[in-house]
Amino acid sequence: DAGVIQSPRHEVTEMGQEVTLRCKPISGHNSLFWYRQTMMRGLELLIYFNNNVPIDDSGMPEDRFSAKMPNASFSTLKIQPSEPRDSAVYFCASSGGGGRGQSSPLHFGNGTRLTVT
Amino acid sequence: GQNIDQPTEMTATEGAIVQINCTYQTSGFNGLFWYQQHAGEAPTFLSYNVLDGLEEKGRFSSFLSRSKGYSYLLLKELQMKDSASYLCAVVTGSARQLTFGSGTQLTVLP
Repeated sequence: DAGVIQSPRHEVTEMGQEVTLRCKPISGHNSLFWYRQTMMRGLELLIYFNNNVPIDDSGMPEDRFSAKMPNASFSTLKIQPSEPRDSAVYFCASSGGGGRGQSSPLHFGNGTRLTVT
Repeated sequence: GQNIDQPTEMTATEGAIVQINCTYQTSGFNGLFWYQQHAGEAPTFLSYNVLDGLEEKGRFSSFLSRSKGYSYLLLKELQMKDSASYLCAVVTGSARQLTFGSGTQLTVLP
């Protein structure tokens, strides 16, 4: 299995520009998560999809952030307009859901390092 | 909300044993994960505990006490490659959300 695939690996953009991050989860996984990691705040959950449906987007910082999952094999995280404080590593992760009383581990992609100047 | 505490940094010597503690205060607890993250890389899964007790996996073991809101990760026979950040993460709620602690940066010295 190729694992969770994210693109691009690095993105440098100017303030005000639109940024789109992409993720392909592991085939067969029904849960997909977008996290943001910074030195100051650590790993923060932005949004979580289950069976392509957004379950909890309370972690999305503000209306400039939006995420979609049009099908089971693809998700996007969009920032419009971007700001310097959005600079971080954005991770996508997927999991298989787990059985009764159990939770399956998250498998992380390699992340997208976003720099907004 | 959730509150997860772990030490910021630890240092140990190659070949030694180190214990990284994690305490948490949360509602709707559904298990606890430990992840390892090397600098510039993605977190990778190490262990999962949902019941009280010790889970052993090679050089790594993880312990959970649900009544005390406490877990630890035990690393034996430390190697230089074990230098990394170790993240404690708690699963909560019916949606099984995963909330991460800030991580413990472990440095293994020769």
